[in-house]
Amino acid sequence: EVQLLESGGGLVLPGGSLRLSCAASGFTFKNYAMSWVRQTPGKGLEWVSAISSGGGSIDYADSVKGRFTLSRDNSNSTLFLQMNSLRAEDSAVYYCAKGGSAFSGWYLDFWGQGTRVTVSS
Amino acid sequence: EIVLTQSPGTLSLSPGERATLSCTASQSISSNYVAWYQQKPGQAPRLLMYGASRRPNGIPDRFSGGGSGTDFTLTISRLGPEDFAMYYCQQYGNSAGTFGQGTKLEI
Repeated sequence: EVQLLESGGGLVLPGGSLRLSCAASGFTFKNYAMSWVRQTPGKGLEWVSAISSGGGSIDYADSVKGRFTLSRDNSNSTLFLQMNSLRAEDSAVYYCAKGGSAFSGWYLDFWGQGTRVTVSS
Repeated sequence: EIVLTQSPGTLSLSPGERATLSCTASQSISSNYVAWYQQKPGQAPRLLMYGASRRPNGIPDRFSGGGSGTDFTLTISRLGPEDFAMYYCQQYGNSAGTFGQGTKLEI
């Protein structure tokens, strides 16, 4: 059974940093791209970032480019999202999601339950 | 960036009825790389359809997808009580997999 367990969310001051983690199990992690998608309460889904299976291709939404860094540790089946210079508009539930292929820009066939990030003073 | 517009914003139907949800893209989507997701309150999204018309394992056959180019649809042939939820389309196959704003399917 595929499982994705996010952690690292919380309350942070504007301009602060957080590092989200996603521990994966139930599939061969190194063979699949992974993504982060966020959702503001009561709003829709916003794709944030994606990384190919080997980590050689990484893409970011324009809204987070230059502030967020996506990485993965295939030996430990873990995905990371380093978020710097956080803004109020980054407040959301962040979902880790498994891609349907090794390619970073693909559909997402399994999702974690999400971790909440709140940026507020 | 490809923009996806979903319609209607809210669809009010009864159990047993047929639901048709639309997703229109601002430009043609290559190879019909469109996915649909269902999300219930307090839950993560669930993949319902990919490649516009392909169902993942475990998705009931009352869900079907179609379309090409810029216009795509998700059809639920006979609504069950568990189908009332939010539905999102997504285009993929490029660097940024953008989502539509969603359709709320309500009783």
